[in-house]
Amino acid sequence: LAKTTQPISMDSYEGQEVNITCSHNNIATNDYITWYQQFPSQGPRFIIQGYKTKVTNEVASLFIPADRKSSTLSLPRVSLSDTAVYYCLVQTGANNLFFGTGTRLTVIP
Amino acid sequence: NAGVMQNPRHLVRRRGQEARLRCSPMKGHSHVYWYRQLPEEGLKFMVYLQKENIIDESGMPKERFSAEFPKEGPSILRIQQVVRGDSAAYFCASSPRDRAGQPQHFGDGTRLSIL
Repeated sequence: LAKTTQPISMDSYEGQEVNITCSHNNIATNDYITWYQQFPSQGPRFIIQGYKTKVTNEVASLFIPADRKSSTLSLPRVSLSDTAVYYCLVQTGANNLFFGTGTRLTVIP
Repeated sequence: NAGVMQNPRHLVRRRGQEARLRCSPMKGHSHVYWYRQLPEEGLKFMVYLQKENIIDESGMPKERFSAEFPKEGPSILRIQQVVRGDSAAYFCASSPRDRAGQPQHFGDGTRLSIL
């Protein structure tokens, strides 16, 4: 399983754009990059997934450079309710996922 | 909104008792995964099951822990003779198939406390 490295914590003011970068130097050809969000006392919630270039959905964008050794989750105009832990994973098939310690995002009023 | 359902949400057991955690996957999902999470840590994979089959149990302790996903009914994670170190949040996830890039969908977990 390819491991990932991401910042332990980040702070942001409300209304700002937040970019969380994740390194995955050992990503394999068949791996996808998947991001989850977890609030206290809840299970991880799927945010976005991509293989290359850029993916956008209603809550976030995911930027993946050509070498795929890193990825950046972009959250536009964060609100207080976006305060959570964000996990970056590389995923082959639907097999077991390796969760690191994630990035704890704190949104400040 | 029939997501992954786990019950109970909270479970308290005394040392030496048995704990049974149940998970009903999302409708149409035939793959179930169990994870354990300690405070301030990420989730750790325990076991991956399909209907009536254990596919990967590499993350599950060899003793006291077992899991099943019968043809009918929910998946069950069973912990026998619980000890204090079993206190954790246990999460279940499901997916419709084992295919490249298929994301897993998680329940809200069972918080197990051992007295």
